[in-house]
Amino acid sequence: DIQMTQSPSSLSASVGDRVTITCRASQSISSYLNWYQQKPGKAPKLLIYAASSLQSGVPSRFSGSGSGTDFTLTISSLQPEDFATYYCQQSYSTLWAFGQGTKLEIK
Amino acid sequence: QVQLVQSGAEVKKPGASVKVSCKASGYTFTGYYMHWVRQAPGQGLEWMGRINPNSGGTNYAQKFQGRVTMTRDTSISTAYMELSRLRSDDTAVYYCAGVVVPAAISPDYYYYMDVWGKGTTVTVSS
Repeated sequence: DIQMTQSPSSLSASVGDRVTITCRASQSISSYLNWYQQKPGKAPKLLIYAASSLQSGVPSRFSGSGSGTDFTLTISSLQPEDFATYYCQQSYSTLWAFGQGTKLEIK
Repeated sequence: QVQLVQSGAEVKKPGASVKVSCKASGYTFTGYYMHWVRQAPGQGLEWMGRINPNSGGTNYAQKFQGRVTMTRDTSISTAYMELSRLRSDDTAVYYCAGVVVPAAISPDYYYYMDVWGKGTTVTVSS
């Protein structure tokens, strides 16, 4: 099975900061990598699919990059509503998997 | 509008089974896989498996093999997830999630979960 590892597990940042979250796959997954945002008590929301494509309606301050085994999610200028937990997820293999999550907190 | 409506919260005793339903509306239920994802209190997202609503074919995460059964009823656009031999560590919110339209980025199709149910809380306690 493909394992997904995110870093860091938690991150403190301020409004206006640029932040980057990393996701690594245990084997190559080409560009079959999605990113989700989850706020407490809510279902996850799709942000990025195919590693770098922005889901409709998602602000352009979110961007994704990478292919193969290493991927990043970048938020160019943090807004108050961006403080949440972020998950990567691979859709390359038959059995999908999530990373363990990165909790983004206000500094 | 596109939505997935899940059944209500459940409280079960250890060793029992639970069956959660997920009714789709606003899109073609039989078009693409329906996935089930769970989240234990304070923990991350865990992919449990998926069902092809068209064929009924399933794929389960190894952790749940032998304990989970995913089914569907196409006549009412509803998917089901049944988990048996419940333990206290099965206490979690269970989500169904699907894709309305996959992304066609030549030459491939990319799949994701862009429609989610609100979640069903399952509590396992003696």
